[in-house]
Amino acid sequence: KQEVTQIPAALSVPEGENLVLNCSFTDSAIYNLQWFRQDPGKGLTSLLLIQSSQREQTSGRLNASLDKSSGRSTLYIAASQPGDSATYLCAVIMDSSYKLIFGSGTRLLVRP
Amino acid sequence: GAGVSQSPRYKVAKRGQDVALRCDPISGHVSLFWYQQALGQGPEFLTYFQNEAQLDKSGLPSDRFFAERPEGSVSTLKIQRTQQEDSAVYLCASSLGVLSSYNEQFFGPGTRLTVL
Repeated sequence: KQEVTQIPAALSVPEGENLVLNCSFTDSAIYNLQWFRQDPGKGLTSLLLIQSSQREQTSGRLNASLDKSSGRSTLYIAASQPGDSATYLCAVIMDSSYKLIFGSGTRLLVRP
Repeated sequence: GAGVSQSPRYKVAKRGQDVALRCDPISGHVSLFWYQQALGQGPEFLTYFQNEAQLDKSGLPSDRFFAERPEGSVSTLKIQRTQQEDSAVYLCASSLGVLSSYNEQFFGPGTRLTVL
């Protein structure tokens, strides 16, 4: 059974700092991996999607990498801003599937 | 519509009551998913519809949970005889494609259910 783990569970950083969020998964037979952002009381917003054949994806200040063989992904946020404060969720989809399997998330607070 | 909408946004129920949660997917989206998110956890899959057909209900936690999508658009998740452990945020997502290929899932804002 696929298990997705996110470390750390919570993170508080001063504005402007570069930071890394970690995601690991136990079964490497994934179709793709997605990073989502969740604001309080809101749904999930997709940030980056990495296909299993890709190594990384970039969008603005966000960069996500994928090492499928080691079962790891990282989300790098450059020059963090208070508006980045949210919960970040990592999710995988297994080959021939459609269910998103989520980690428990990292709650990020960026202090002004 | 512009996105996935869900109603009500908040629901408080007394233990033993029945509740119904509604999801309006993005127009034209074939696939519809329900997820349950407990406090401090990531969402967990409940059920999947392709048009009006419920193709997977493996994540429904008990027979008190029932979902339908009779006309292949709006979906309702019904929970009978609610229990305190049912308290969670219920998220609906829709995607354009079908089971055989992955298409991005777009999420609604969720319904926060509190069972007293």
